[in-house]
Amino acid sequence: QTVVTQEPSLTVSPGGTVTLTCASSTGPVTSGYYPNWFQQKPGQPPRALIYSITNKHSWTPARFSGSLLGGKAALTLSGVQPEDEAEYYCLLYYSRWVFGGGTKLTVL
Amino acid sequence: EVQLVESGGGLEQPGRSLRLSCAASGFTFDDYAMHWVRQAPGKGLEWVSGISWNSGSIGYADSVKGRFTVSRDNAKNSLFLQMNSLRAEDTALYYCAKDIDSNWHTYGMDVWGQGTTVTVSS
Repeated sequence: QTVVTQEPSLTVSPGGTVTLTCASSTGPVTSGYYPNWFQQKPGQPPRALIYSITNKHSWTPARFSGSLLGGKAALTLSGVQPEDEAEYYCLLYYSRWVFGGGTKLTVL
Repeated sequence: EVQLVESGGGLEQPGRSLRLSCAASGFTFDDYAMHWVRQAPGKGLEWVSGISWNSGSIGYADSVKGRFTVSRDNAKNSLFLQMNSLRAEDTALYYCAKDIDSNWHTYGMDVWGQGTTVTVSS
């Protein structure tokens, strides 16, 4: 069974930088997995942030960036704002789509 | 403005069926693939199914394969999910989501609806 693993929780100070990662149980994440990142706040649907590793949607704030890092997909937030506190999910493609378990980001 | 509005959720008994609908507006529906994604109470996201722009390619999660059927009516800008043989573990908020591309297996989702709640319980 394919498992996508994210950090369960991370804490960052306002104005700081944090990197969330997304690992595949099958091996290194590559472009063929089409990594996506989503943000979800309580009571709201997910909001798409990044697709195909690095590509931003028109509404994605500039402080969010995607990359591949050490065999994982990564989402970096630079200059974190209080409103970035949320759950973040990655999504990988394996002949079907599989979400990671999510990372709860606390801004404190 | 791109809008997706899900409907059809409710309380149903195990073994019974439900049909979810998603009404799309604000974009050229038949240019894009569509997805269903669900979220059990207090849990993470689970991809359920994807369908290409012309229904020529369809995919399902292993957890629903053989029980759920996705379809679309491009003339009516609508997406559907026929859910048969419902189980307690199908209880979730079901989201409809638009793909970035015409195929469901390349780029991923961009715009999401607010979801419709399905509860399976006797």
